Amino acid sequence: GQSLEQPSEVTAVEGAIVQINCTYQTSGFYGLSWYQQHDGGAPTFLSYNALDGLEETGRFSSFLSRSDSYGYLLLQELQMKDSASYFCAVKDSNYQLIWGAGTKLIIKP
Amino acid sequence: GAGVSQTPSNKVTEKGKYVELRCDPISGHTALYWYRQSLGQGPEFLIYFQGTGAADDSGLPNDRFFAVRPEGSVSTLKIQRTERGDSAVYLCASSLSAGDYEQYFGPGTRLTVT
Repeated sequence: GQSLEQPSEVTAVEGAIVQINCTYQTSGFYGLSWYQQHDGGAPTFLSYNALDGLEETGRFSSFLSRSDSYGYLLLQELQMKDSASYFCAVKDSNYQLIWGAGTKLIIKP
Repeated sequence: GAGVSQTPSNKVTEKGKYVELRCDPISGHTALYWYRQSLGQGPEFLIYFQGTGAADDSGLPNDRFFAVRPEGSVSTLKIQRTERGDSAVYLCASSLSAGDYEQYFGPGTRLTVT
């Protein structure tokens, strides 16, 4: 079957750095995406990795290792507004996005 | 420019009734996706359109669910004989084409079946 595993909840302090891991098992792989979703809101795109390595976009970075079927999202200089759920999603061979269950990020002052 | 819009934002219906959920994608986006999201879960793929045709409807849970996109823009998700288990947030997303990695989501329709 197809599955993505990510921690259900992560807690961090404002100003700190946090890493959210994602491991996947899917039929076909065309890239790993990360989305942010605030409570009651729509998912919004953060980053995408098709090749191994690190992609950096401002305070957010995302990493992929295809040989390990593993990726992570790194959030730096955490702000209270970063409190949200973060989803990893894999684009499979049918162009479908297969989603993880999400990681709730709790930020404490 | 305008983002993806969905109507209604909330829909409460009785078990056994028929409902229609509407999605208006970003202008010019040829790919349109429907997802269902339950509390504490990630979005679950239902169906996607490339233009007017359903390119992949493998995620539709059963034949009570049907979606159309007759003119390649607005899409309607139709659910017949609703069941309490259909209660969820139904999300619509669009992208320039099916190969694009970034999908733009609408605010969703919260469906409650009583």
